[in-house]
Amino acid sequence: QKEVEQDPGPLSVPEGAIVSLNCTYSNSAFQYFMWYRQYSRKGPELLMYTYSSGNKEDGRFTAQVDKSSKYISLFIRDSQPSDSATYLCAMIDQGGSEKLVFGKGTKLTVNP
Amino acid sequence: GAVVSQHPSWVICKSGTSVKIECRSLDFQATTMFWYRQFPKQSLMLMATSNEGSKATYEQGVEKDKFLINHASLTLSTLTVTSAHPEDSSFYICSASRGPYEQYFGPGTRLTVT
Repeated sequence: QKEVEQDPGPLSVPEGAIVSLNCTYSNSAFQYFMWYRQYSRKGPELLMYTYSSGNKEDGRFTAQVDKSSKYISLFIRDSQPSDSATYLCAMIDQGGSEKLVFGKGTKLTVNP
Repeated sequence: GAVVSQHPSWVICKSGTSVKIECRSLDFQATTMFWYRQFPKQSLMLMATSNEGSKATYEQGVEKDKFLINHASLTLSTLTVTSAHPEDSSFYICSASRGPYEQYFGPGTRLTVT
């Protein structure tokens, strides 16, 4: 079992839809959870990071972490064509290493 | 804030030559930088962790003599691909850590070895 599982999609939604992206993980030592957005042929862009369980909101984006279920989500409200990209979840344990463990990424297309 | 640049963005080189890629944190100091490799439609693969003033730590399976990393200052790390071969063709991305859990990525460098 991989440490981080993420459905690669592709996911296609109409403009204005609510998008739900998810990752599951197996390592209970993970404490910090990030979501990155990567456009084609570009480096990943940090969208949000959260610590432990709970929700965090930033504009149209909401990140949720459920440590009891080892499940994290990213919600995008009022999705726009410019949100079309690959979304990567990433995690770090609290052991001192700053190494990110990535999911495989979900490719999202928002159709106008 | 939190901008990371890479240079060059794209490079073509002949087999057997060496190529240097620069990674700079433009508006913050980064004690730790990371180098990744990404193949098409795949996630990022960590190659090495670079700390300013010390030797890089390479991931298992990454040849340290082939991929030379130098973290010369708190804002600059370089990756040199030595004696490049076509199988080294890939997308190389660096990241810089601004805090324990904030990694910011550069735009990437596409290397093609002919």
